Amino acid sequence: GAGVSQSPRYKVAKRGQDVALRCDPISGHVSLFWYQQALGQGPEFLTYFQNEAQLDKSGLPSDRFFAERPEGSVSTLKIQRTQQEDSAVYLCASSLDRGLEEQYFGPGTRLTVT
Amino acid sequence: GNSVTQMEGPVTLSEEAFLTINCTYTATGYPSLFWYVQYPGEGLQLLLKATKADDKGSNKGFEATYRKETTSFHLEKGSVQVSDSAVYFCAPRSEAGGTSYGKLTFGQGTILTVHP
Repeated sequence: GAGVSQSPRYKVAKRGQDVALRCDPISGHVSLFWYQQALGQGPEFLTYFQNEAQLDKSGLPSDRFFAERPEGSVSTLKIQRTQQEDSAVYLCASSLDRGLEEQYFGPGTRLTVT
Repeated sequence: GNSVTQMEGPVTLSEEAFLTINCTYTATGYPSLFWYVQYPGEGLQLLLKATKADDKGSNKGFEATYRKETTSFHLEKGSVQVSDSAVYFCAPRSEAGGTSYGKLTFGQGTILTVHP
C-alpha cells in the first residue's frame, strides 16, 4: 500500500520559468488537496479536487497558479512565470471520501526560485 | 473562515518533562480539531483528533481535549521522549454540510526539541 507520492522532491527554478509539480494520491481516494507551506509556517490551502472536479480554488495566490486532475487520480500543480515568493514546500494530501476522512499527506516538493 | 493561534516555539524540554502546547481557534459552525506532527525529514502525519465538544483525542501518550467554551485544543504529554522532537501543528476543519470537503486550517507550528 503506497502512500501519497510527489515528484520531484526538489525543484530549483529561475525566476520566470514555468514549473509542474506532480501528485500521485492513494489509489481510490476521491479527494485531493494542495497546500503551500512557506518556511517556518504552517501549510495553507491552495485548492481541492473531488475526483476530476476542482471544487475550490480559492487559495490559489494568483492566476499564475493552475491545478488539474483530468482523470480523477494524478494531479498536477503548475506555476507559470515563477517568482521568488513562490519558494515554498508544496504539499499534496488525499482522503478516501469527501475530505471528511483522514487526509494523508505526501512528502512535498520543495520549490526554490532563484 | 477558520483561524488558529498556536503557542510560539521553539519549546525545549528535557526527557520525561511535561509538555503543553496551547492552541486556540476561531471557526464557523462546529469544527473537528486535529493535531498533526512533522518529524524531521518526514511528511505531515495525523497525531490525534476530536470531532465534538468535550471529546478527548489521544495517541502515543499525547492528549488534547476539545473545549468549545474556550475554543481551545491544547496538546499535552506527561513524559516526553527524545523521539517526540518534531514540529506540531494544530488544525481545525470545518464540518459545514452540503459541500463540505474537509479543508484544514493550520497554525504556524511549534518546534519541540527534547534533550536526553
